[in-house]
Amino acid sequence: AQKITQTQPGMFVQEKEAVTLDCTYDTSDPSYGLFWYKQPSSGEMIFLIYQGSYDQQNATEGRYSLNFQKARKSANLVISASQLGDSAMYFCAMRVINAGNNRKLIWGLGTSLAVNP
Amino acid sequence: SQTIHQWPATLVQPVGSPLSLECTVEGTSNPNLYWYRQAAGRGLQLLFYSVGIGQISSEVPQNLSASRPQDRQFILSSKKLLLSDSGFYLCAWSGRVSTDTQYFGPGTRLTVL
Repeated sequence: AQKITQTQPGMFVQEKEAVTLDCTYDTSDPSYGLFWYKQPSSGEMIFLIYQGSYDQQNATEGRYSLNFQKARKSANLVISASQLGDSAMYFCAMRVINAGNNRKLIWGLGTSLAVNP
Repeated sequence: SQTIHQWPATLVQPVGSPLSLECTVEGTSNPNLYWYRQAAGRGLQLLFYSVGIGQISSEVPQNLSASRPQDRQFILSSKKLLLSDSGFYLCAWSGRVSTDTQYFGPGTRLTVL
């Protein structure tokens, strides 16, 4: 079954330190995409970073990087130099293609990150 | 640049009343459109998605319906709201490119009393 698992309901990190948010996925499709989104208390879902299954290098976007380990089926998000504004819910998602060739995202349950001053 | 709008931002409705939430996208054409619901403290549940005008796919059987009367307009409706319809409703769009990244609107917080 296609599934996204985020095992950390809540995480704490000290300001200016790095933090890793875990995500494991399950799919038998050879082609898939992995996404991370941030949801602050305002509710809007903000796209952070994308990793394709055939990408050779780990994706990076500013302070965000995705530690992609294909054999272990993990796609952990690393946030470097944490800031107070990073406090939010973080969701991992996987793009799948269903029988009708329609593309949709499967979502994890999220990790709540709190950055302490 | 592309922007996505949702309204209203918040809504309080009595049980049994109708519902209409609207989502519009600017700056792109022929987008894929999505409606999600998020219960308090939970992940996202895909309700409907659309690949074109009049083309709606339903993911979860329920008392909600969706319509796409124009290319960049997506409407979520109900004839009679239930208490269980309370939640945070998010609209999203994606372009027809390989990554399928979805971009979200600000959301509508619906409370059914």
